[in-house]
Amino acid sequence: DTAVSQTPKYLVTQMGNDKSIKCEQNLGHDTMYWYKQDSKKFLKIMFSYNNKELIINETVPNRFSPKSPDKAHLNLHINSLELGDSAVYFCASSRREGVSGNTIYFGEGSWLTVV
Amino acid sequence: AQKVTQAQTEISVVEKEDVTLDCVYETRDTTYYLFWYKQPPSGELVFLIRRNSFDEQNEISGRYSWNFQKSTSSFNFTITASQVVDSAVYFCALSYYNNNDMRFGAGTRLTVKP
Repeated sequence: DTAVSQTPKYLVTQMGNDKSIKCEQNLGHDTMYWYKQDSKKFLKIMFSYNNKELIINETVPNRFSPKSPDKAHLNLHINSLELGDSAVYFCASSRREGVSGNTIYFGEGSWLTVV
Repeated sequence: AQKVTQAQTEISVVEKEDVTLDCVYETRDTTYYLFWYKQPPSGELVFLIRRNSFDEQNEISGRYSWNFQKSTSSFNFTITASQVVDSAVYFCALSYYNNNDMRFGAGTRLTVKP
């Protein structure tokens, strides 16, 4: 019954590797996001997709590539991982328009540690 | 540009005390939403409340209450009779009406001691 689910929850990997985090939502939302939370707890949007179309793309290294096969899924692929990529990555979803308040619902987070 | 400031980095109280978490925002838009989220030690982000910019009524939900004042661009959050389970990082956030670009404050870490 999890609304926004992301896997894996924990990921430890070596520098230079490529890894993916998967995300799925069953809320019927048409917009999905990736947020990054650093060690100081600061939350920053990385990407936003609406109906599989990229609508927000913050200044993120192009080693990060989101992929949305359908509006219920938004995966994050990271190439050539660096130590600074260590963070918690949150997937989230919401409705597109403002009438219902565009409240964003978050997954449980994926703890990525690059060693 | 929109910006959210949570000036209190950390707050520590003793159980049963009341505590207010401050949130001040900046926006040029007249229609926007304000939010509070809770992040307990387990790490997930839990939605607490959403407020429309055109609705300045205060809201109360159990021990939680929110005070929205457009005149001072503030959306403060009060926990009455705090409990240890309230210990968490609390985030205030702002988004525009038809724009899903939600901006978060830096968060306030609340510790409630028994």
